[in-house]
Parts: sequence; structure tokens; C-alpha cells
Amino acid sequence: DQQVKQNSPSLSVQEGRISILNCDYTNSMFDYFLWYKKYPAEGPTFLISISSIKDKNEDGRFTVFLNKSAKHLSLHIVPSQPGDSAVYFCALQPSGTYKYIFGTGTRLKVLA
Amino acid sequence: GAVVSQHPSRVICKSGTSVKIECRSLDFQATTMFWYRQFPKQSLMLMATSNEGSKATYEQGVEKDKFLINHASLTLSTLTVTSAHPEDSSFYICSARAQGWTEAFFGQGTRLTVV
Repeated sequence: DQQVKQNSPSLSVQEGRISILNCDYTNSMFDYFLWYKKYPAEGPTFLISISSIKDKNEDGRFTVFLNKSAKHLSLHIVPSQPGDSAVYFCALQPSGTYKYIFGTGTRLKVLA
Repeated sequence: GAVVSQHPSRVICKSGTSVKIECRSLDFQATTMFWYRQFPKQSLMLMATSNEGSKATYEQGVEKDKFLINHASLTLSTLTVTSAHPEDSSFYICSARAQGWTEAFFGQGTRLTVV
């Protein structure tokens, strides 16, 4: 039973436009929500995180939004660049633990 | 960001042998380290969590006798795949975090192929 889902396995966006990646979760309590970027045969790279007590966090081109009532997390990248092309995973940290539950991943392709 | 180094990046071994994978935090003290496994085109699945100086906590369904984890110091954790079989072939990734940190940092991963 997948607690964390990224319903779009892939996404293509034109360079300069906004990329929106989504993540939905069920039931469990989570303290932190994170986004990681991953290239093939490499480990994930941390991008941005948000605490459960906030609904928005911004860092440069990356903004993460958290809608707790809808159990929905999103990552906005604007403007998108070809170098952003990678697989993006959301990762959720259950309350009282330090481990992550990863989403299923979305492959983003930014077209030049 | 902090640097986590994982070694080797790629290993091929014969069925029945054991393989050790190292994970080092290079510029911070890792109070907690994690080991994940990723199958092709799938998500990262947590195998176990280890805290320095104590026994690892394994996720449900992960055989602790098969995947031996040691976290003997604040900068090094090892995963040993014992009596490896072809079905153990996978991409193994470690991550590490320091006390008080929200985010964990990942190693480069190890591609294990058992022939």
C-alpha cells in the first residue's frame, strides 16, 4: 500500500515556463516534507523542504506548497531550465522518526 | 550541502559471496544513517535505519541476517549483503543526517550485480 503517490510519472515543460510537480499522501502524520532530485545511477540531491506547520517555503526558483487538509504537496520550479531535467521525488518524514517515505517519482523533461 | 560518499559505485559478485558497501559522511557527524534500495523505474525503499553505536532498525520484510548493517562511528556505516543471490541485484543508496538536521544527504549509490 503506497502511502505517498506522485500520480504523474512524467512531465514535459518548455524552457522558461513553470514546472509543477505534485505529491499526494494518505492518512499518516508527517513532520517534514522534502523534495529531492535524482539523476540515473546517482543518489538523490536535496532541493527544498517544508515543515508541517507551514504552507509555503521558497528558495530561489523552487517553491514548495503544502495543503494539509488535501494531503497534497507540490513543487514549483520557475523558470524551468534544461538542467532541471531529472526524476523528482517527494519524501515525507513520519512524526517521531527521522526516516523518509519516498513518493513514486516524476520524470521532468525541460525542453530547450 | 553536506557530502556523503558511498563506495564502491559499482560491484559485480558471484552468487553465494558477500559484498560490503561503505557510506561515509565527509564533513559532518552522522548520528543517523539510512540504507535504501531502488529497483529499476521504482521508488527508493527504506531498508533500515542505524544510529551510531546501536543496532540498526530494519523495515518490515527486510532480512536482518542477510543485510548486515554496522554504524560503528559517526562518519561510517556499512551494509554487507551476505550470501548474495541474483535477486539481490539492485541499486543501494545510503543517506546520513546530523543531530538537529531536517534533511538527510545521500551517497552516490552502489549498483550491485550478482551473477
